[in-house]
Amino acid sequence: DAGVTQSPTHLIKTRGQHVTLRCSPISGHKSVSWYQQVLGQGPQFIFQYYEKEERGRGNFPDRFSARQFPNYSSELNVNALLLGDSALYLCASSSGSIRLGEKLFFGSGTQLSVL
Amino acid sequence: QQQVKQSPQSLIVQKGGISIINCAYENTAFDYFPWYQQFPGKGPALLIAIRPDVSEKKEGRFTISFNKSAKQFSLHIMDSQPGDSATYFCAASGSGGGADGLTFGKGTHLIIQP
Repeated sequence: DAGVTQSPTHLIKTRGQHVTLRCSPISGHKSVSWYQQVLGQGPQFIFQYYEKEERGRGNFPDRFSARQFPNYSSELNVNALLLGDSALYLCASSSGSIRLGEKLFFGSGTQLSVL
Repeated sequence: QQQVKQSPQSLIVQKGGISIINCAYENTAFDYFPWYQQFPGKGPALLIAIRPDVSEKKEGRFTISFNKSAKQFSLHIMDSQPGDSATYFCAASGSGGGADGLTFGKGTHLIIQP
């Protein structure tokens, strides 16, 4: 079975541009979360979606937005890119709440470089 | 504000030894504490997790010890092997609101010397 798949794997953008990152969860998983991992740091929570509804949002500016589609895939959008947005963006999926015992599975991420 | 503090930042252990990584948290609303392992170029993978009503959980060579009163938890890797060389992250969740968002520590870079 395929794991969490993310596209593209690498991306180079210029300051001020916008970017769209895509994620396909494991088949049957209805929850998708997005994390930002800056080099040398732990992942930082951006969003969680469950059944196409936003369930949680981390401490990120409004330049970051996301959505989940009827097939449970998801997009993360970042507008007006800043140099500090350069990071590995991780998507993760689960079949339900991890706090109720479900496992969270991460993709390998999209490496975004902002020049 | 860093809500989960992890130490040490890096750790070198001889093959067959015990690797110990520690974490401390501040938010008493946290009720789920997982450990993740990450290899270069890969996303984190869940190793083991614990809830605050349990003081210890063991899965194979990996053990979590949890001290609720001290707000601390630790990962012990027994009989450490070179294949265990990776970055390890502690995390916590449960700040309420129905979301599962994890708060991660900064990570420990573990090297197991043969």
